[in-house]
Amino acid sequence: NAGVTQTPKFRVLKTGQSMTLLCAQDMNHEYMYWYRQDPGMGLRLIHYSVGEGTTAKGEVPDGYNVSRLKKQNFLLGLESAAPSQTSVYFCASSSPGQGNYGYTFGSGTRLTVV
Amino acid sequence: EDKVVQSPLSLVVHEGDTVTLNCSYEVTNFRSLLWYKQEKKAPTFLFMLTSSGIEKKSGRLSSILDKKELFSILNITATQTGDSAVYLCAVNAFPTNSGYALNFGKGTSLLVTP
Repeated sequence: NAGVTQTPKFRVLKTGQSMTLLCAQDMNHEYMYWYRQDPGMGLRLIHYSVGEGTTAKGEVPDGYNVSRLKKQNFLLGLESAAPSQTSVYFCASSSPGQGNYGYTFGSGTRLTVV
Repeated sequence: EDKVVQSPLSLVVHEGDTVTLNCSYEVTNFRSLLWYKQEKKAPTFLFMLTSSGIEKKSGRLSSILDKKELFSILNITATQTGDSAVYLCAVNAFPTNSGYALNFGKGTSLLVTP
């Protein structure tokens, strides 16, 4: 099993450009999340999804949009990138009833906005 | 507002030392506390704690939760250079409308010198 796969792993954007980060999981997990991590900070929740077709805002949602059209995929979009969105982005999925809630992280996407 | 506070923020020790990392929290409807190790990539799960006073142990690492005083500690005995990492504490709370989203502390950066 691949677990949680994030693409791309690295990206450099110019201010104002748009892009989409893809997260794919093959564990049939109901819940998926996007976090960002900045230097000296823990992970902060951007958006999450409790099932196919549903999304909700987390702690730091401004400037991002998400979609979950298929259960296995959770997309994070930046419509107009800003330098403040330079960060490492982690996707995760989980499922109730499993140890540790089955929490599985992707390997991360390092995004730089110049 | 929910809070997770870790201390110290950074720590330098010599190989063989014992270290104690702290995590205090203020969370409405606490469900569980999780510890992760992060080495320049995705966090790796260490422990999940839900009950007070029950120590979880894995090799040289152990952790315990105090739900009355709202804190947890992570102990590492006989430290090795491979223990150098950022240790993250995260709390999960009811209700379940956010799935199993985690509220992270800023982490403790541990450096073990030879």
